[in-house]
This record gives sequence, C-alpha cells and structure tokens, in this order.
Amino acid sequence: GQQVMQIPQYQHVQEGEDFTTYCNSSTTLSNIQWYKQRPGGHPVFLIQLVKSGEVKKQKRLTFQFGEAKKNSSLHITATQTTDVGTYFCAVGSGYSTLTFGKGTMLLVSP
Amino acid sequence: GAVVSQHPSWVICKSGTSVKIECRSLDFQATTMFWYRQFPKQSLMLMATSNEGSKATYEQGVEKDKFLINHASLTLSTLTVTSAHPEDSSFYICSAPRLAGGETQYFGPGTRLLVL
Repeated sequence: GQQVMQIPQYQHVQEGEDFTTYCNSSTTLSNIQWYKQRPGGHPVFLIQLVKSGEVKKQKRLTFQFGEAKKNSSLHITATQTTDVGTYFCAVGSGYSTLTFGKGTMLLVSP
Repeated sequence: GAVVSQHPSWVICKSGTSVKIECRSLDFQATTMFWYRQFPKQSLMLMATSNEGSKATYEQGVEKDKFLINHASLTLSTLTVTSAHPEDSSFYICSAPRLAGGETQYFGPGTRLLVL
C-alpha cells in the first residue's frame, strides 16, 4: 500500500498556541483522511480531502491537500486542552483499506 | 450516526489460551470490516480484512492460523487470538466503512488484550 510520512511525532504546546502536523508521500494520493485518537480511545474520522489544493475548515481546524496531492497538513489555531490526542493521516490503499501514518501526538498545557 | 461496538473492551488471559473479540455494526450492515492492532505509542497496523461470507484477507506477516477471523453475518465479525502469548498483548480495533465501498471508517472502541 501507499506509505505516508507524518511529522512531527510529538508536539507539546501551551494552550492558545497553534499546532500543525504534516503528512508527505512520494507518490500521488487519490485522497487523504485525518483521524483523531484521544488517549485511551479509538480513532475518530475528522475529514477526507480529495481534490488538488483542497482546503477545508472545521472551526479551529484547517486541512489542506497539496497541489500535487503528495502532501497534506492539519493546522489547529489557538489550541485548547480538548485538542489533546494523536492525529493520524491515512490514505486509501484499495477497496476501503487504509494505511495510517505514524501519527502526531499533541499535548496541550493549560 | 453509525456506531461500531466491540466486546470485550478489555481482557486479561493466561498464555496459551484463546481469546475471542467481537465487532458489531449497530445500525448498518457491513460486508467488510477491518481489524487493526495498535501497540503503545504506535500507529494502527492493518491486520486483516474481514469479508462477510468468505475468507478473510490477511496482511503480510499476520498469521492467519493464529488470528482467526469469522464474518458470519452482515453485522458481526469476530477475531480469535489463538494460543495467545505475551507479545500478542495489544490494542485491537475493528472498523467498518462509513459507506459501502468507501474508504473512510467508523472505528470500534477497541479491545485491550493483556496476555500474562
């Protein structure tokens, strides 16, 4: 399946600071998805990006898909303690299957 | 929205025993379900694709005789870890596509397995 590199592995921010995680692939992706996993929890679907250059927003979260469809980012503006968790990007590897990036663990201090 | 449940949520067993984990789609039918394993502070690794009415498809390196998958109905898939060993201790999560043929997934709450 397609591989994605996700960076950083870990980030610790103060509440109110911004946060960005990046996913990169050496090959063109048909789509990319983002999931959030709270500590001790299971992944929860956030969004799917399909189009080149696509930008989608969900309140303080901004998702981007690169023009070449080889990279994507998730940006959180003014983080809150409720944003704590691990954010994974994932790419489809065939019929309904997903390959996950290694995830970025976000810790937010009040 | 659609919900996927798993049972049990956690299990502790002795080495050499078998453990069955159930994954149910509660308000939708899932001809395909997926089983993942996640070790602490690591990503989700796809173990196998469970297909209703046919054999499961296993990822490379996953022993099909050790991780038995049965998808006997459109709402239930089971994963049995046979002859469990301490290295099988992990977080096992199932998922089902949000839409038939789609790639976005609903995930179950996971099952934490500890093999002593």
